[in-house]
Amino acid sequence: QKEVEQNSGPLSVPEGAIASLNCTYSDRVSQSFFWYRQYSGKSPELIMSIYSNGDKEDGRFTAQLNKASQYVSLLIRDSQPSDSATYLCAVTNEKLTFGTGTRLTIIP
Amino acid sequence: DTAVSQTPKYLVTQMGNDKSIKCEQNLGHDTMYWYKQDSKKFLKIMFSYNNKELIINETVPNRFSPKSPDKAHLNLHINSLELGDSAVYFCASSQVRTIDTGELFFGEGSRLTVL
Repeated sequence: QKEVEQNSGPLSVPEGAIASLNCTYSDRVSQSFFWYRQYSGKSPELIMSIYSNGDKEDGRFTAQLNKASQYVSLLIRDSQPSDSATYLCAVTNEKLTFGTGTRLTIIP
Repeated sequence: DTAVSQTPKYLVTQMGNDKSIKCEQNLGHDTMYWYKQDSKKFLKIMFSYNNKELIINETVPNRFSPKSPDKAHLNLHINSLELGDSAVYFCASSQVRTIDTGELFFGEGSRLTVL
């Protein structure tokens, strides 16, 4: 079992809708959780971090964490074509471990 | 002024050759990393250095040898290249060693193609 798992997609969402990206992790002692965005041909960039159970909102982005279920999600409201990218979930214990990423396409 | 810069951006080489990738960061960070991203976008850590000291060495063939001459530089040398080494190699840096902030600053990547 991979340490951090994501549905690879592609996930297609109409412009203006909510995009929902999911991630599960296997190591229960993981403490910190992150979402990175990677545009095609570019390097990953950090967009959200979450450390405790519940929701964390930042603009159109909401990260959700459920440590009991070992589950992290990212919601993108009012999806824009510029949100089309691969979204990487990442988890720390002693090092930052990435999932395989979900490719998101926003359809105009 | 680029924060984390890698050279070269593209390498195309034959199997069996040796190649190096250089990385420099001007952010003043103490910790630097090499990550490998395969064709399926899986980003896997290879090495991490903190202030020139090796702190993470994942299960990587010993054909890969990192070298950190100072805390602003982390180079990667690969001997006897194989087809499976084809990937994008990302250098990254972070402000703190334990990276609990999760914030890595990535270079633009070096795409290695082994023929």
